[in-house]
Amino acid sequence: ETGVTQSPTHLIKTRGQQVTLRCSSQSGHNTVSWYQQALGQGPQFIFQYYREEENGRGNFPPRFSGLQFPNYSSELNVNALELDDSALYLCASSLAGQGPTDTQYFGPGTRLTVL
Amino acid sequence: AQKVTQAQTEISVVEKEDVTLDCVYETRDTTYYLFWYKQPPSGELVFLIRRNSFDEQNEISGRYSWNFQKSTSSFNFTITASQVVDSAVYFCAQTVPQGAQKLVFGQGTRLTINP
Repeated sequence: ETGVTQSPTHLIKTRGQQVTLRCSSQSGHNTVSWYQQALGQGPQFIFQYYREEENGRGNFPPRFSGLQFPNYSSELNVNALELDDSALYLCASSLAGQGPTDTQYFGPGTRLTVL
Repeated sequence: AQKVTQAQTEISVVEKEDVTLDCVYETRDTTYYLFWYKQPPSGELVFLIRRNSFDEQNEISGRYSWNFQKSTSSFNFTITASQVVDSAVYFCAQTVPQGAQKLVFGQGTRLTINP
């Protein structure tokens, strides 16, 4: 196990609603990345947080937003849910500064279904 | 822009057979990093290996081996004497050590090992 935890495990929402997903990083890690994985696809990068600041963003609209807290845990918020937001949302933690690039360790994911 | 291609969507073999998963990457960067992750039915992405672009040495870890060839932009993964527990979706991914080190994933290869 990586020590990265996510909650909830599963979530069902209706179109137009808002959702908050949570991630607890591996102990000692200071960077959190979020990915969206649609069924049958590879994960797509949403954004990354380093020391409570957004450190980079993928091709996702502003209704996808995030937070990182002083204990390095993180939230992903999605407003105005659309049917296409149905996916597995994966959180990954890493320790910046450990090398040229830092291996990301993933949590078990949150399965979001939008009806 | 980076791109990772896993041309094999699904592979099915009988236990104890050897199997190779192909990965072809594209990048204009001279420094980059390649990864393999395993995703069992539980959904969590499990880190298997990281390789940097300056190290073309092949690597072996137990029944797993990786063949990195810059000349063909390939980073292939071989499982020797496959076991049922190897059944999973395997993802190849790439990143560069600049800005948010987002992972760019391939589409994944679903590997089924039949008893």
